Amino acid sequence: DQQVKQNSPSLSVQEGRISILNCDYTNSMFDYFLWYKKYPAEGPTFLISISSIKDKNEDGRFTVFLNKSAKHLSLHIVPSQPGDSAVYFCAASGNNDMRFGAGTRLTVKP
Amino acid sequence: NAGVTQTPKFQVLKTGQSMTLQCAQDMNHNSMYWYRQDPGMGLRLIYYSASEGTTDKGEVPNGYNVSRLNKREFSLRLESAAPSQTSVYFCASSEVQREYNEQFFGPGTRLTVL
Repeated sequence: DQQVKQNSPSLSVQEGRISILNCDYTNSMFDYFLWYKKYPAEGPTFLISISSIKDKNEDGRFTVFLNKSAKHLSLHIVPSQPGDSAVYFCAASGNNDMRFGAGTRLTVKP
Repeated sequence: NAGVTQTPKFQVLKTGQSMTLQCAQDMNHNSMYWYRQDPGMGLRLIYYSASEGTTDKGEVPNGYNVSRLNKREFSLRLESAAPSQTSVYFCASSEVQREYNEQFFGPGTRLTVL
């Protein structure tokens, strides 16, 4: 059972525009959420996280929004840059468990 | 500071062969993890070690064994490889085994079982 879902396998945006990556989860025990970024032939690297006591966390060009009632989170990248082209994984954790989504491949076109 | 290192980077096995994937971290982290990544699926936890001397099963432990050799090293063993174990394997570490800690990943091992 996929407890964390990223329903868009890929996303393409123009440089300078906003990228919005979405993630849904089913387990209400999850109370901490993370986004990881992965380049080809490398391991994932941590990008940004949010606790369930917040609904927004911002770090530079990256903002994560959490809607607990909808069990939905999103990652906004503004403005998008070609170097942001990568696969983005969301992860949800809680109750001694952590699950990852399947990833969304973001392509930022110059 | 190398972070998390994994060897080998690539491996091809025949069904039934055995092998050990090696992982080491130099960040003095207490917790270490092994994941597998398959197309269309997220990273799935195979085994983890919350601290030196302890190991626990994750989501998909069948067909694997692990050894936490010391604080730095955590190995994953396939005793009798099967084609279903064809995957990319990632080792990760974190300061402590708490879900609020970010994990640091190695570059991965791409394993093909024929």
